[in-house]
Amino acid sequence: EVQLVESGGGLVKPGGSLRLSCAASGFTFSSYSMNWVRQAPGKGLEWVSSISSSSSYIYYADSVKGRFTISRDNAKNSLYLQMNSLRAEDTAVYYCARDPYGSAGFDYWGQGTLVTVSS
Amino acid sequence: DIQLTQSPSFLSASVGDRVTITCRASQGISSYLAWYQQKPGKAPKLLIYAASTLQSGVPSRFSGSGSGTEFTLTISSLQPEDFATYYCQQLNSYPPDFGGGTKVEIK
Repeated sequence: EVQLVESGGGLVKPGGSLRLSCAASGFTFSSYSMNWVRQAPGKGLEWVSSISSSSSYIYYADSVKGRFTISRDNAKNSLYLQMNSLRAEDTAVYYCARDPYGSAGFDYWGQGTLVTVSS
Repeated sequence: DIQLTQSPSFLSASVGDRVTITCRASQGISSYLAWYQQKPGKAPKLLIYAASTLQSGVPSRFSGSGSGTEFTLTISSLQPEDFATYYCQQLNSYPPDFGGGTKVEIK
């Protein structure tokens, strides 16, 4: 069974940093591109970042470029999101999601981890 | 960036109704469109990819159509478990953004 489990969320002050993790199981993690998608309270879905299976290709939304860094450790079946210079508008539930084909949608999602940026 | 506009943003319907949601792209995206269902407090669930291909395990009352700039998600006979928010997503190019969502509520 495919499972994605996020962790690392919490309360952080503006300007602070946080590192999210996503532990993958039930599939060959190293074969899939992965993504982070976030959802602010009461709002819609916002794609944040993507990383290819071998980390060769990395993309970011303009809203997080220069502040967030996506990475993965295929040996540990884990995806990460390092978030620096956090702002109030980064407050959201952050989901990791698997991308099976690169153009066919995200087929598995984690349960999400809440990041709250507030003083 | 490609913008996706969903309509309506809110829809009130009854069990058994046929429901259609539209997603319009600001430029052509071929068939690189996916649809998701999200219930409160839950992660999104992939329903349809490549505009019209039903994801494994998704009931056949869900269908998708369209190509280029105009796409539709149709629920042929709305069931109680279908009351949720629906999002489209384009996967033609980065950023793979989502539409604003359509909330389907019980009439």
